[in-house]
Amino acid sequence: DGGITQSPKYLFRKEGQNVTLSCEQNLNHDAMYWYRQDPGQGLRLIYYSQIVNDFQKGDIAEGYSVSREKKESFPLTVTSAQKNPTAFYLCASSIISGRASGELFFGEGSRLTVL
Amino acid sequence: GQNIDQPTEMTATEGAIVQINCTYQTSGFNGLFWYQQHAGEAPTFLSYNVLDGLEEKGRFSSFLSRSKGYSYLLLKELQMKDSASYLCAVSDQMTTDSWGKLQFGAGTQVVVTP
Repeated sequence: DGGITQSPKYLFRKEGQNVTLSCEQNLNHDAMYWYRQDPGQGLRLIYYSQIVNDFQKGDIAEGYSVSREKKESFPLTVTSAQKNPTAFYLCASSIISGRASGELFFGEGSRLTVL
Repeated sequence: GQNIDQPTEMTATEGAIVQINCTYQTSGFNGLFWYQQHAGEAPTFLSYNVLDGLEEKGRFSSFLSRSKGYSYLLLKELQMKDSASYLCAVSDQMTTDSWGKLQFGAGTQVVVTP
């Protein structure tokens, strides 16, 4: 079955540590995204990538880094520079073709808690 | 800046109809999307509007008025499984290669009661 796999589902981190969230898709989608979800707020875009070896900052990129070495993979690193990293992180993908670009396919999410 | 507003919570009875409104003020517009998200799960795509009017898909319909910056999602014949958060999202990009960048509202929690 095609889909998006995020891991780990739950992650605890001590302050000052970097942590990397994995996102893999086998939908053959060109575009991939990382969103952050906080209670009472809409999803906010962290980074997105439309092609291998290229990515763009979203609205809240500070304290995060990404890479896109393979079409299938788009890992997100939450660095110690991120002031408030506790959140639910969602990875998504889509094709790049008009309206279908907005039909995002989401992974199950990774819940990060900083202790 | 971007602004997408929708009610925080709505309650309705099983079998009834609920209308979730969404108003938006964005720098550009390339389409409005509705997603459904059950607690602790990933959002799933429900509908898309880019032209004014009503789009119907089974028990769910979505309406758009671009001149008013307004959309609604209509859920008919409510079922218990429809209890979820409904997210309104706007594609505000003017170039086709970035239509996937969406601005999301905070979501409307719909509670369906027996």
